[in-house]
Amino acid sequence: KAGVTQTPRYLIKTRGQQVTLSCSPISGHRSVSWYQQTPGQGLQFLFEYFSETQRNKGNFPGRFSGRQFSNSRSEMNVSTLELGDSALYLCASSLDVISGNTIYFGEGSWLTVV
Amino acid sequence: SQQGEEDPQALSIQEGENATMNCSYKTSINNLQWYRQNSGRGLVHLILIRSNEREKHSGRLRVTLDTSKKSSSLLITASRAADTASYFCATDSLSNYKLTFGKGTLLTVNP
Repeated sequence: KAGVTQTPRYLIKTRGQQVTLSCSPISGHRSVSWYQQTPGQGLQFLFEYFSETQRNKGNFPGRFSGRQFSNSRSEMNVSTLELGDSALYLCASSLDVISGNTIYFGEGSWLTVV
Repeated sequence: SQQGEEDPQALSIQEGENATMNCSYKTSINNLQWYRQNSGRGLVHLILIRSNEREKHSGRLRVTLDTSKKSSSLLITASRAADTASYFCATDSLSNYKLTFGKGTLLTVNP
């Protein structure tokens, strides 16, 4: 069974640009979450979607947004990029993030903002 | 904000030795999961322990959970060089739909 797939794996953007990252969850998983990982802040929760509904959002500015499609695939978007947005962005999927289900992560998308 | 705090922050051992990492958290939890991350890669799920469980085993891994002390430990027995990685604990609680991670323990296993 295929794991969580994230694209692109690496990208470089310029300050002020916007970026869209994509995540395909494990087949049958309806919950998709996004996390940002930086050396200074560690792993920080961005948002979680279940059946196209955002159920929780982390403490990030409105420049960070996401959505989930009817096939459970998800995208996150960061507009007006800042240098501090450089990070590893990780997508996670599960049957449901509560109820004791294992949460699986993808390999991540490395974003560098210059 | 970080829920979990792993201890120690870094651990260096020789192949064949056991490695123990600890995790403490602040609020009541539903489940606690341990993950491994090799440098620059994604998180690999190791083991999940529910709040009503006290101990779980998986291969060379043993996880304990003490909800009264709000702490968990991960023991890796007979470590190998391939176990070199960062290890994170992550907690979830009912109805907040997210994992809260600690800052991780960097384990180095020397051949």
